[in-house]
Amino acid sequence: DAMVIQNPRYQVTQFGKPVTLSCSQTLNHNVMYWYQQKSSQAPKLLFHYYDKDFNNEADTPDNFQSRRPNTSFCFLDIRSPGLGDAAMYLCATSREGTGGPPGNQPQHFGDGTRLSIL
Amino acid sequence: SQKIEQNSEALNIQEGKTATLTCNYTNYSPAYLQWYRQDPGRGPVFLLLIRENEKEKRKERLKVTFDTTLKQSLFHITASQPADSATYLCALGRSGGYNKLIFGAGTRLAVHP
Repeated sequence: DAMVIQNPRYQVTQFGKPVTLSCSQTLNHNVMYWYQQKSSQAPKLLFHYYDKDFNNEADTPDNFQSRRPNTSFCFLDIRSPGLGDAAMYLCATSREGTGGPPGNQPQHFGDGTRLSIL
Repeated sequence: SQKIEQNSEALNIQEGKTATLTCNYTNYSPAYLQWYRQDPGRGPVFLLLIRENEKEKRKERLKVTFDTTLKQSLFHITASQPADSATYLCALGRSGGYNKLIFGAGTRLAVHP
């Protein structure tokens, strides 16, 4: 089945130690998103890739970076995790029309990576 | 600033009844609205999309309404089952220009046998 896969499901890191979360998709969707979701809160968009074009949200801390080496894979790098970065990180994809910004299409989510900071 | 409000308290209903969840928004003019289901420890799963020019959308036991005057969407599950127990998120989006989904925090639904 076509899907969005996130690895690992659970990640523990130390305060200040860089960590990378990964996402892969077999849907061949052109847009990939990263969200942060804390307990009982709304998913918060960090950034997205529209094909190879990176779009950062204005309030996403510089501590968060992303890479998309090809259509199928996307990575979230947290350079120096703080205690406040403990959360569920969700990757999502959508297929958007060519030549325009994302929107109006369902997003397909992975099951997330739960990040804990010691 | 833009705000989406969903009942933070859990909705408890009896199996077989209709569950109605509310999504209210302010300071926003969405072109469309989406509803997602999220189970504990899992990612959201898309359920329905309704556009601003549509009053109502149905899919099997699900029904969504969208009232741009009241700035409100209602999400109904008829003949509810214990398997419908989950958190339901609404998300708003705008067409044209830069676009992104803005999610509500969700309402937890518990259907009791």
